[in-house]
Amino acid sequence: DIQMTQSPSSLSASVGDRVTITCRASQSISTYLNWYKQKPGKAPKLLIYAASSLQSGVPSRFSGSGSGTDFSLTISSLQPEDFATYYCQQSYIIPRTFGQGTKVEIK
Amino acid sequence: EVQLVESGGGLVQPGGSLRLSCAASGFTFSSYWMHWVRQAPGKGLVWVSRFSSDGSTTNYADSVKGRFTISRDNAKNTLYLQMNSLRAEDTAVYYCARDGGYSNGYPFDYWGQGTLVTVSS
Repeated sequence: DIQMTQSPSSLSASVGDRVTITCRASQSISTYLNWYKQKPGKAPKLLIYAASSLQSGVPSRFSGSGSGTDFSLTISSLQPEDFATYYCQQSYIIPRTFGQGTKVEIK
Repeated sequence: EVQLVESGGGLVQPGGSLRLSCAASGFTFSSYWMHWVRQAPGKGLVWVSRFSSDGSTTNYADSVKGRFTISRDNAKNTLYLQMNSLRAEDTAVYYCARDGGYSNGYPFDYWGQGTLVTVSS
């Protein structure tokens, strides 16, 4: 199975901050990397697919980059509604593994 | 509007069985691969199983292989997960999710709200 490792596991930030979360795959997955946002008690929501493509309706302050094994999700200016847990996921092969999550908290 | 609505969760004893359902609407269900994903309380997301649009392909996580069976009824626009020989470690919220494409390479573009399965005596 492909292991997905996110860092950090959690971070504290203020509204307006620029935030970057990284995700590393245990083997190359080309650009088959997706990012999801999840708020407590809610279903995950797709933000970014194919490493850098913004899902329809997602604000442009979210961006993704990377290929091969190293990827990142950046929020250019953190907004109150962005405080949540973020997961990366590879869609290269079954099983579709997720990272352990990064919890973004208010400083 | 795409909607996925799970049902069938509840409290079950270890060794028991449960069948989850996911009712789909707002899209042509028969054209999409579908998945189940679970999340134990306070933990991360774990992929469980998938079913191809044409019924030719099913896959399972090793942790559920031989105990869980995924199926679908395209006439009823419904995805199922039959869970047998349940264990305490199967306790989780179970989500159904739509695959944005087919086979590999695509994200899960829509998710249901989830249904909680609790395995406990």
